[in-house]
Amino acid sequence: GAVVSQHPSWVICKSGTSVKIECRSLDFQATTMFWYRQFPKQSLMLMATSNEGSKATYEQGVEKDKFLINHASLTLSTLTVTSAHPEDSSFYICSAPGQGVRSNQPQHFGDGTRLSIL
Amino acid sequence: AQTVTQSQPEMSVQEAETVTLSCTYDTSENNYYLFWYKQPPSRQMILVIRQEAYKQQNATENRFSVNFQKAAKSFSLKISDSQLGDTAMYFCAFNVGSNYQLIWGAGTKLIIKP
Repeated sequence: GAVVSQHPSWVICKSGTSVKIECRSLDFQATTMFWYRQFPKQSLMLMATSNEGSKATYEQGVEKDKFLINHASLTLSTLTVTSAHPEDSSFYICSAPGQGVRSNQPQHFGDGTRLSIL
Repeated sequence: AQTVTQSQPEMSVQEAETVTLSCTYDTSENNYYLFWYKQPPSRQMILVIRQEAYKQQNATENRFSVNFQKAAKSFSLKISDSQLGDTAMYFCAFNVGSNYQLIWGAGTKLIIKP
């Protein structure tokens, strides 16, 4: 079945480092990718929506220069946390809508990336 | 504004019991889709069940069923014969029409005790 592969699953790095998270759609084309951030014991917070070949749409309060999103192909979307600081430590998840015209198609989620900035 | 409210931050029941998680939502749209997602400690997001708003019949998936009350904008999840593996965070969510963006509830932490 359709799967979204998200890498890395866990990354620890020093403050000031830029970190790239990749989400690849396997066996389907992901024209749209949602990027979420999740704090412990909280719900998913939508950060941005990326569409293949166009600029991402960021939610209010999300710094686009801090969280760079690229969706250059139908199977790959990336989120780069630039100059990461400890407050950027969190769990990041991507998801892509399933194919088909019915929007009750299940979203395909990546397994998430745990980012820890020291 | 479109919102989802899950009023139970945490629940715990004994194994084999039945538990119901509540969810209410708000939207002015008429064409929308409702979902329950499960997030176990591994943090994977797993679709439990989904319901099209235009369908009156409540969705069921094995031990999982919903009570969809459209007029009341209520979408509760019933888990029958609960199992230890059901321990997880449960999120209620919906999307409207052809907009794939999901609106999420705050989640309910469900603990199944042996």
